[in-house]
Amino acid sequence: AQKITQTQPGMFVQEKEAVTLDCTYDTSDPSYGLFWYKQPSSGEMIFLIYQGSYDQQNATEGRYSLNFQKARKSANLVISASQLGDSAMYFCAMREGPNQGGKLIFGQGTELSVKP
Amino acid sequence: GAGVSQTPSNKVTEKGKYVELRCDPISGHTALYWYRQSLGQGPEFLIYFQGTGAADDSGLPNDRFFAVRPEGSVSTLKIQRTERGDSAVYLCASSPGQGVAGANVLTFGAGSRLTVL
Repeated sequence: AQKITQTQPGMFVQEKEAVTLDCTYDTSDPSYGLFWYKQPSSGEMIFLIYQGSYDQQNATEGRYSLNFQKARKSANLVISASQLGDSAMYFCAMREGPNQGGKLIFGQGTELSVKP
Repeated sequence: GAGVSQTPSNKVTEKGKYVELRCDPISGHTALYWYRQSLGQGPEFLIYFQGTGAADDSGLPNDRFFAVRPEGSVSTLKIQRTERGDSAVYLCASSPGQGVAGANVLTFGAGSRLTVL
């Protein structure tokens, strides 16, 4: 079974609108972390946001927020007020266990295109 | 350095040849990771180092792949007898330390694109 599932291969959004990128995960470990990374065409992975499994509140970082629904095992990324520079691949990733540090399991990614 | 540096950025080689890919992590970062990203896929974990030792090499696909980090900073990923299926982007990342509570955010390099003809 896939540990991280991103069901949207590609998404389009109008500039200045909000967009939600879906991510579901599968783990039996009670302690885990969820990450979103952005990968522009240059290839470098850029960290966006993190949510710990025990965090009570949804994580937010500027225009990025993570809609964490633990019972549904989903960790959707919400980007508000989309900008042209947001066009990129977006990857959801999970760290299983408290001591796995940077050993991440990535999803297949969603390609976001922002239209002017 | 300011970021994670990877060289070469591009490498084209012939099937059966030996290849080395280098990673220079952020100064002071004790944890270093190698990932492999095939076309259209997310990155896959290969190996990580805490200091000089390989703490987890469970992602290395077979014994043709090997990595070292002799002085706890720069790391080299070595691939012997390359095969066409090894073609991918090899990403290196570093973080302040393994076993750090919380996010332990990885900073990635731009990757080394390997093409095996």
